[in-house]
Amino acid sequence: NAGVMQNPRHLVRRRGQEARLRCSPMKGHSHVYWYRQLPEEGLKFMVYLQKENIIDESGMPKERFSAEFPKEGPSILRIQQVVRGDSAAYFCASSSDRVSYTFGSGTRLTVV
Amino acid sequence: GENVEQHPSTLSVQEGDSAVIKCTYSDSASNYFPWYKQELGKRPQLIIDIRSNVGEKKDQRIAVTLNKTAKHFSLHITETQPEDSAVYFCAASIMADKLIFGTGTRLQVFP
Repeated sequence: NAGVMQNPRHLVRRRGQEARLRCSPMKGHSHVYWYRQLPEEGLKFMVYLQKENIIDESGMPKERFSAEFPKEGPSILRIQQVVRGDSAAYFCASSSDRVSYTFGSGTRLTVV
Repeated sequence: GENVEQHPSTLSVQEGDSAVIKCTYSDSASNYFPWYKQELGKRPQLIIDIRSNVGEKKDQRIAVTLNKTAKHFSLHITETQPEDSAVYFCAASIMADKLIFGTGTRLQVFP
């Protein structure tokens, strides 16, 4: 089992560009969570998805951010028109039972 | 919503000593409390967890205690080693819901 796979590991975007972060959950896991970690801070919940459904997006900024988890393929976190404040590590976690989570290695987004 | 506070923010101990990290939570409905270890530039890794029907759980040098009445839980690491140096995060959730994390404790173990 390859674990939770996130790509890219590092992503550099200029202000105003779009960032697409991908997360492939562990085999058999149908629950995906996205968290954001600012430098020297804890992990903040963003969104919880199941296949083709957004279950809880209470931590997601209302503008520029969107997430999906299609029937086929990875979950995508999309940030439009990135700003410097979006620079952070974005972690995806997956679960089969909605209790224990496995985290991916994260995508480190740098906005220049 | 749930709020988790974690103390201390930094902790330095001598190798072989014990380390204790404490967390409090606000939502009495929370019933799952995991602890994660995160090394620099790496993913958070689950090291131990406890559910609300248990007061204490131990795994070798690591133990977690839970006081539901006071709404706090603690991580205890005994016989610390330099490789224990990392940032530790507590979290709380209502089972099957999202994790709410504390702000982290940077543990340094000096040889």
